[in-house]
Amino acid sequence: QSALTQPASVSGSPGQSITISCTGTSSDVGSYNLVSWYQQHPGKAPKLMIYEGTKRPSGVSNRFSGSRSGNTASLTISGLQAEDEADYYCCSYAGSGTWVFGGGTKLTVL
Amino acid sequence: QLQLQESGPGLVKPSETLSLTCTVSGGSISSSSYYWGWIRQPPGKGLEWIGSIYYIGSTYYNPSLKSRVTISVDTSKNQFSLKMSSVTAADTAVYYCARRPLADCGGDCYQDAFDIWGQGTMVTVSS
Repeated sequence: QSALTQPASVSGSPGQSITISCTGTSSDVGSYNLVSWYQQHPGKAPKLMIYEGTKRPSGVSNRFSGSRSGNTASLTISGLQAEDEADYYCCSYAGSGTWVFGGGTKLTVL
Repeated sequence: QLQLQESGPGLVKPSETLSLTCTVSGGSISSSSYYWGWIRQPPGKGLEWIGSIYYIGSTYYNPSLKSRVTISVDTSKNQFSLKMSSVTAADTAVYYCARRPLADCGGDCYQDAFDIWGQGTMVTVSS
């Protein structure tokens, strides 16, 4: 079970859109539509932003959206705001009751 | 509002056993709608799923940690616990407990994701 692959960092200017990729294998991301995304600010616990690949919890801005194609899931943030600057992690079901996280992506809002 | 709170020693000696407890408040750990899990984050690094438990005691573990980890549940205290044996400096991390709703969890929950997290507790492995 290997960690999902995410870019170490992405950046964008306020108002722009960015996309964070999360690449797994046919044993995890490619087999199950059970990818979730988490936002983590420094010193804080992760916060659920997207579940089941594309769904947003109540209270999460509609600027956040998720998608999946093959073994890669993606998180898109549109209309970037300063408060979006954080670390983002993807997570996927990997079968047999196990779960795997991505290595994390640091988003910088320029 | 459901809340989770981790507790346990902040310092553990190498080769000893790390023991943490997660107390669930504002809801019952005995609900058939949830798994309860442990996730850790070494300083400056990413998240790692450790394992999960169901209220009847069914468990799943990260294959890379399975030989050293035991997760148990105490429904009378509304708590679940983590034990990790033979710890080394590599086990130094913030340890989080979290709820994972099942597909039929009903309202106010988000299935197949870790939707509620504790604040985390830092555990340092050092002599």
